[in-house]
Amino acid sequence: GQQVMQIPQYQHVQEGEDFTTYCNSSTTLSNIQWYKQRPGGHPVFLIQLVKSGEVKKQKRLTFQFGEAKKNSSLHITATQTTDVGTYFCAGPDRDDKIIFGKGTRLHILP
Amino acid sequence: GAVVSQHPSRVICKSGTSVKIECRSLDFQATTMFWYRQFPKQSLMLMATSNEGSKATYEQGVEKDKFLINHASLTLSTLTVTSAHPEDSSFYICSAREVAGIFSYEQYFGPGTRLTVT
Repeated sequence: GQQVMQIPQYQHVQEGEDFTTYCNSSTTLSNIQWYKQRPGGHPVFLIQLVKSGEVKKQKRLTFQFGEAKKNSSLHITATQTTDVGTYFCAGPDRDDKIIFGKGTRLHILP
Repeated sequence: GAVVSQHPSRVICKSGTSVKIECRSLDFQATTMFWYRQFPKQSLMLMATSNEGSKATYEQGVEKDKFLINHASLTLSTLTVTSAHPEDSSFYICSAREVAGIFSYEQYFGPGTRLTVT
């Protein structure tokens, strides 16, 4: 079946450093979504990318959707302690059910 | 944004008993709700898709007789864990899809229910 893979699994960065997580799908996606889950919390929708090569920005967060619509990335510039959490990418399978990647756990070192 | 509530937030039950978890979309109608299970430090695993007025669709490996799903209205879906066992202890999260357009698949997640079976 369809797989959504994310790397890295964990990332420790110094506060102020940049952070990037990568997502790859085994199949072409009609869209890709990104979620953030704070420790002890539930996933919160961040953004959805639909178009090939699409780039969207939310303040310090930059989201990209690959040209082939099989990969995506989330880049955070100048991380802050509030960025701590697990970032999940997710995409619909052929039945439109959302399949989540395993997530990248971001830890910020003060 | 859209709000999804879940009740209870935490529940402890004895092995062999049943537990019902409610998922409500508070300010929108959701024809489709999803139930996920998340073990510690792991990703969300889709258990089933709940469609209003029809039977739920279960993912492979999920026992439909053990995890009973009812989607009686456009704002409420329930998950009942029957004859719970310690291995059913997990974080159960529901989500609801708000159809905002042909290509919009925003999902809003409930706060989750932490189930502990003793």
